[in-house]
Amino acid sequence: QEQLVESGGGVVQPGGSLRLSCAASGFIFSSYGMHWVRQAPGKGLEWVAFIRHDGSNKYYADSVNGRFTISRDSSKNTLYLQMSSLRVEDTAVYYCAKDFGYDSFPNHWGQGTLVTVSS
Amino acid sequence: DIQMTQSPSSLSASVGDRVTITCQASQDISHFLNWYQQKPGKAPKLLIYDASNLETGVPSRFSGSGSGTDFSFTITSLQPEDFATYSCQQYNYLPYIFGQGTKLEIK
Repeated sequence: QEQLVESGGGVVQPGGSLRLSCAASGFIFSSYGMHWVRQAPGKGLEWVAFIRHDGSNKYYADSVNGRFTISRDSSKNTLYLQMSSLRVEDTAVYYCAKDFGYDSFPNHWGQGTLVTVSS
Repeated sequence: DIQMTQSPSSLSASVGDRVTITCQASQDISHFLNWYQQKPGKAPKLLIYDASNLETGVPSRFSGSGSGTDFSFTITSLQPEDFATYSCQQYNYLPYIFGQGTKLEIK
């Protein structure tokens, strides 16, 4: 059974940094691209970033480009999101999600981890 | 970026009703459109992919149609567990934009 478990969320001051992790199990992690998607409190879903199965290509939303870095470690079956220069508007639940296949769309999601940016 | 306009933003209905939600893209996205269901405090769940394909395990009362710029999502015979928020998402172009969501509430 596919499982994704996010961790690393918490409270951070504006301008600070945080690294989120997503532990994957139940599927061949190295064969699938992975996404990060976030949801601000009471708001809709916002796609954040995608990394190809082999890490060869990475894509970002304009709102986080240059501040966030997506990466993966297939030896640990883990996806990461390094977030820096955090802003109040980055406050959200961050979900990692497995790609459906062939670099398409998220089809299986973790339970999410809350990041709060506040002074 | 592509804009996704989803309507209505909220909808009240009764168990057994048929409901339809629409999503309009600001430019042609072919069939690259998905529908997700989300319940409070839970992760989104994929229901429909490629505009009209039912994800494995999803009941057949859920369906989707459309191509190009205009898409619709229908639930026939609403069940109590269907009251949730539904969102469309295009994946033809980066960034993968979501619609703003439709909250389906019990009348």
